[in-house]
Amino acid sequence: DTAVSQTPKYLVTQMGNDKSIKCEQNLGHDTMYWYKQDSKKFLKIMFSYNNKELIINETVPNRFSPKSPDKAHLNLHINSLELGDSAVYFCASSQEGISRETQYFGPGTRLLVL
Amino acid sequence: GDSVTQMEGPVTLSEEAFLTINCTYTATGYPSLFWYVQYPGEGLQLLLKATKADDKGSNKGFEATYRKETTSFHLEKGSVQVSDSAVYFCALKRGGSNYKLTFGKGTLLTVNP
Repeated sequence: DTAVSQTPKYLVTQMGNDKSIKCEQNLGHDTMYWYKQDSKKFLKIMFSYNNKELIINETVPNRFSPKSPDKAHLNLHINSLELGDSAVYFCASSQEGISRETQYFGPGTRLLVL
Repeated sequence: GDSVTQMEGPVTLSEEAFLTINCTYTATGYPSLFWYVQYPGEGLQLLLKATKADDKGSNKGFEATYRKETTSFHLEKGSVQVSDSAVYFCALKRGGSNYKLTFGKGTLLTVNP
């Protein structure tokens, strides 16, 4: 069973379009994250939700809007896509408050903006 | 703010060679430290972790010891295999209500037969 899944795996789109990436975890975790990995493999946190509440919102353009309909899902909507948005986006989840603290990552969504 | 510095790659080794990837960190308090591995075309997987000073994390022949005095968490393996070729990320996470992982820039390891 896949622990953290993302759809789609690949996304190729034109500049100016609006697109969404979905993430689901079946681990029963209460915290979910979005990370962006650029072309040089550098990983940076974008957002985090704990029990559907936004707890981390790093310096990310307003065109990016996360939505958490329930604890198991965290979606990322991107408006007016730009060339610089091309990257791999990773979803992750963890269970806070327990000693493990480990974040489990999804397989990534490779976004290419043309 | 928090930061993680790891040795620049790429690192190229022959099979059965000894591996060290250096990692140092800056953080307030007592963070947990992690090594994640990313195989080509895949997501990140936790390789090992340590949550307090002098803890040693180990997995699949890899080891790293949490050294508070030198703020380091160097990754080592005695004998690498071709299948270890991947990008390795050192990361830290502060305790308490700070949830995010802060990553180093990653080190690409290539192991040749």
